[in-house]
Amino acid sequence: KAGVTQTPRYLIKTRGQQVTLSCSPISGHRSVSWYQQTPGQGLQFLFEYFSETQRNKGNFPGRFSGRQFSNSRSEMNVSTLELGDSALYLCASREKGPYGYTFGSGTRLTVV
Amino acid sequence: AQSVTQLDSQVPVFEEAPVELRCNYSSSVSVYLFWYVQYPNQGLQLLLKYLSGSTLVESINGFEAEFNKSQTSFHLRKPSVHISDTAEYFCAVSSNFGNEKLTFGTGTRLTIIP
Repeated sequence: KAGVTQTPRYLIKTRGQQVTLSCSPISGHRSVSWYQQTPGQGLQFLFEYFSETQRNKGNFPGRFSGRQFSNSRSEMNVSTLELGDSALYLCASREKGPYGYTFGSGTRLTVV
Repeated sequence: AQSVTQLDSQVPVFEEAPVELRCNYSSSVSVYLFWYVQYPNQGLQLLLKYLSGSTLVESINGFEAEFNKSQTSFHLRKPSVHISDTAEYFCAVSSNFGNEKLTFGTGTRLTIIP
């Protein structure tokens, strides 16, 4: 079984731009979550999607948004980038139930 | 709401020595508990999890953790570490119904000294 695939692996953007990150979950996994990892704040939950519906949302500004497609692939978008958005963005998928999340390798976003 | 405290940000250990990484959690509801490991420039890998039943859970690479409800702890242990265990370890908690997002601790960097 292929793992969780995130693209791109690395990204450099300028302040004020927007960015879209992509995540392909493990086949059969319908739940996809996004986390932001920074040295200062650690791992923080962004949002979770299940069957194309956002089930849960973390405490991030509205500039952060996401969606999930019918094939369970997910994208997250950050608009009007700020320097503080520089982080490793991790996507995770899971089967229904408390089986633990499988994480992708992440997308490292640098905002300059 | 849940919270997780990892008391040690860095733990240096000599190779083949035992190690314990501490994790305490706080929650008003019953929880599931997890340990994840992160190697440099990689995502998180699930090491082990406690869902219910036996309070002692083991991973395939020699780590174990024990759920202690009275002390709200889920410490990770290994009797003999190897150089390859060098990584950052994260303890995480989720509620066992409804909102199942993971809440992570701040991580413990385990450094193995040859």
